[in-house]
Amino acid sequence: DIQMTQSPSSLSASVGDRVTITCRASQGIRNDLGWYQQKPGKAPKRLIYAASSLQSGVPSRFSGSGSGTEFTLTISSLQPEDFATYYCLQHNSYPVWTFGQGTKVEIK
Amino acid sequence: EVQLVESGGGLVQPGGSLRLSCSASGFTFSSYAMHWVRQAPGKGLEYVSAISSNGGSTYYADSVKGRFTISRDNSKNTLYLQMSSLRAEDTAVYYCVPSGRMDVWGKGTTVTVSS
Repeated sequence: DIQMTQSPSSLSASVGDRVTITCRASQGIRNDLGWYQQKPGKAPKRLIYAASSLQSGVPSRFSGSGSGTEFTLTISSLQPEDFATYYCLQHNSYPVWTFGQGTKVEIK
Repeated sequence: EVQLVESGGGLVQPGGSLRLSCSASGFTFSSYAMHWVRQAPGKGLEYVSAISSNGGSTYYADSVKGRFTISRDNSKNTLYLQMSSLRAEDTAVYYCVPSGRMDVWGKGTTVTVSS
């Protein structure tokens, strides 16, 4: 099974900060990875698909990069509405999906 | 509008059974494999099960294998998850998600396993 290691598990940041979250796959997954944002009591919302493509309607301050085993989600300038938990999801090993453990972004 | 509506959750005793449903609209349900994903309280997201577009192939996480059964009725645009021998650790919000349309999530249905 493909394992996804997401880091950090939490971080504290201020409005306007640049934030980077990383997911590492235990084996190559090409670009079969998405990034999701989840707020309390809500379903996850996809921000990025195919590792680096911005989901329609998502602000351009969100970006994704990487291929193979290492992937990054970057928020270029953190906004108040961005405080949430973020997950990566690999779907290369269809039909089995694997999620990262999540990164909680909190206000400093 | 693409929409998924999960239902059937509730409170059940350990060892009990429950059937979840996921009603799909706004896309060609029969063309997509479907997945169930769950999230225990305060925890991360976990893949549970998947089924091919025609229902001919099914897949399960080890944690639910032998206890859960995924199925679908393409004539009704509905996905199911039959859960039996439920345990406290199955307590979670359950979501259905189409493969290939992983931007589409319902609001989920909550299952609580407790005596």
